[in-house]
Amino acid sequence: GENVEQHPSTLSVQEGDSAVIKCTYSDSASNYFPWYKQELGKRPQLIIDIRSNVGEKKDQRIAVTLNKTAKHFSLHITETQPEDSAVYFCAAGYSGNTPLVFGKGTRLSVIA
Amino acid sequence: DAGITQSPRHKVTETGTPVTLRCHQTENHRYMYWYRQDPGHGLRLIHYSYGVKDTDKGEVSDGYSVSRSKTEDFLLTLESATSSQTSVYFCAITTSLGNEQFFGPGTRLTVL
Repeated sequence: GENVEQHPSTLSVQEGDSAVIKCTYSDSASNYFPWYKQELGKRPQLIIDIRSNVGEKKDQRIAVTLNKTAKHFSLHITETQPEDSAVYFCAAGYSGNTPLVFGKGTRLSVIA
Repeated sequence: DAGITQSPRHKVTETGTPVTLRCHQTENHRYMYWYRQDPGHGLRLIHYSYGVKDTDKGEVSDGYSVSRSKTEDFLLTLESATSSQTSVYFCAITTSLGNEQFFGPGTRLTVL
């Protein structure tokens, strides 16, 4: 079955700097790669996703890149703000209609 | 919030007792999922459903059963709760339009 590895497990950045979180997956049949943000005591919130027919997707300060050949994808947050502090999870699945396999999460701290 | 509610939101129970968690959605989504979240493990799939009376097992299904007799309700049952089932349980749905997964607010279960 699918296995998703996520790095780093913790990340501290200064406000205004960029943050990058990386994930690798094992099943070449996976085609859907969402990212979730989870604040303490809250539900995971979908922040961006990418499907295998595109290599990059941007939404304001957030971008995701996908390299299907190498089976890895990354989340990029630019101009970080204190409210970006949270745990971020990557996931992989065959499509949005199939169960997702999650990475173990990255705790991002943005220091003001 | 994609019209998802979970009940109860918090429960404390004793080892050996049966427990049922309910996920309710109001937007006629076909696909529903139960995940558990534990420190160091991220989110792991327990069971999922692709329609009324159609369910399948996930990665960590031992000790759990599910039922879906109506589109709007997906029930997760712990037949005889154990301390290892202490966790936060999240229900999720896939939207029909965008094929994206959204999570319910979660249920925090403590088994003493």
